[in-house]
Amino acid sequence: KAGVTQTPRYLIKTRGQQVTLSCSPISGHRSVSWYQQTPGQGLQFLFEYFSETQRNKGNFPGRFSGRQFSNSRSEMNVSTLELGDSALYLCASSTDTRHLEAFFGQGTRLTVV
Amino acid sequence: GDSVTQMEGPVTLSEEAFLTINCTYTATGYPSLFWYVQYPGEGLQLLLKATKADDKGSNKGFEATYRKETTSFHLEKGSVQVSDSAVYFCALSDRNFNKFYFGSGTKLNVKP
Repeated sequence: KAGVTQTPRYLIKTRGQQVTLSCSPISGHRSVSWYQQTPGQGLQFLFEYFSETQRNKGNFPGRFSGRQFSNSRSEMNVSTLELGDSALYLCASSTDTRHLEAFFGQGTRLTVV
Repeated sequence: GDSVTQMEGPVTLSEEAFLTINCTYTATGYPSLFWYVQYPGEGLQLLLKATKADDKGSNKGFEATYRKETTSFHLEKGSVQVSDSAVYFCALSDRNFNKFYFGSGTKLNVKP
């Protein structure tokens, strides 16, 4: 059974640009969550989707957005990139709507220059 | 709100030493508790979990017991190996908001 797949693994963008990251969850998993990991702030929750609906959102500015497709694949978008957006972005998928167990992808390393 | 506090690292041990990484939590409900491990350049891997009080999660020689009375979920291993060197994260899941709260991570260095 394939794990959570995130693409691309690495990205370098310039300030002001926008970026789209992709996450394919484990087959059968309908919940997808996104987290930002930085050395200073640790792991912070961005948002969670279930059956194409955003159920919860973390404390991030509106520049961060996401969506989920009917096949459960999810994308997150960051517009008007800032240097502080440089981070490892992790996607997690879960089959249990109560998040009893989440499986993480390898992440996308975003560097903003 | 919910939160997780774990001991600061790095923790440096010799091979075959005993490991304890402390983790305490604050939660309004009855969360599930987890330990995840992250190797350099990788995502998070689930190490073990416990879903209710007094449950013991175990995997690859690691153990942690869900202690509701002390709101703790300490990670232990009797004999660490060099290959255990990684960053360990304690986490809880909030069933009401479908999200995880993570501790700040503890880096473990095991020397041969």
